[in-house]
Amino acid sequence: AQTVTQSQPEMSVQEAETVTLSCTYDTSESNYYLFWYKQPPSRQMILVIRQEAYKQQNATENRFSVNFQKAAKSFSLKISDSQLGDTAMYFCAFISRGAGGTSYGKLTFGQGTILTVHP
Amino acid sequence: DAGVTQSPTHLIKTRGQQVTLRCSPISGHKSVSWYQQVLGQGPQFIFQYYEKEERGRGNFPDRFSARQFPNYSSELNVNALLLGDSALYLCASSLNTGVWETQYFGPGTRLLVL
Repeated sequence: AQTVTQSQPEMSVQEAETVTLSCTYDTSESNYYLFWYKQPPSRQMILVIRQEAYKQQNATENRFSVNFQKAAKSFSLKISDSQLGDTAMYFCAFISRGAGGTSYGKLTFGQGTILTVHP
Repeated sequence: DAGVTQSPTHLIKTRGQQVTLRCSPISGHKSVSWYQQVLGQGPQFIFQYYEKEERGRGNFPDRFSARQFPNYSSELNVNALLLGDSALYLCASSLNTGVWETQYFGPGTRLLVL
């Protein structure tokens, strides 16, 4: 079974600084996808960034970038120039093709990291 | 374009009752997935439906059931409610069922079981 672990329950950062959120996962699959989702307080979850396991190049989306280390099964999120609006719970999530090539939309989430950006 | 919508936003039920939660996917999306998010934890997968058929089921008891309608909207039903069913229930839609498809989440229905 796949598992996703986020070892940092809470993180804080000053506005305009850089912060890195950690995520590790465990799988025997070779073809999978990784995501970071953001869930602001009392607001809906939105996709921040995604990474295809077959791509060696790390994904970037504006101020958000990932460090994908496939061999180490590590997928960290770096937020540059942190803004107050980045305050949220961040979830790392994993999805893979099932046995026999079947696939369905079962995202496996980590426990989440609460990020607080201070002015 | 409207995003994923869910109704109701909040719900209070008592143990033993039954509840129905509703979800409307993004226009053009044919797949709907349901997740349960207990306070302070990550979402747990319950079901995925595609073209009115169940395509995947998580580790939840048979008290949980769902269905998808011809317009791709979906309902999640929970029977014989337990206190532990108190959670935020999230619906997510995607174009199809491929694992590469991004899932877009709704605002959720917060269920409190007393």
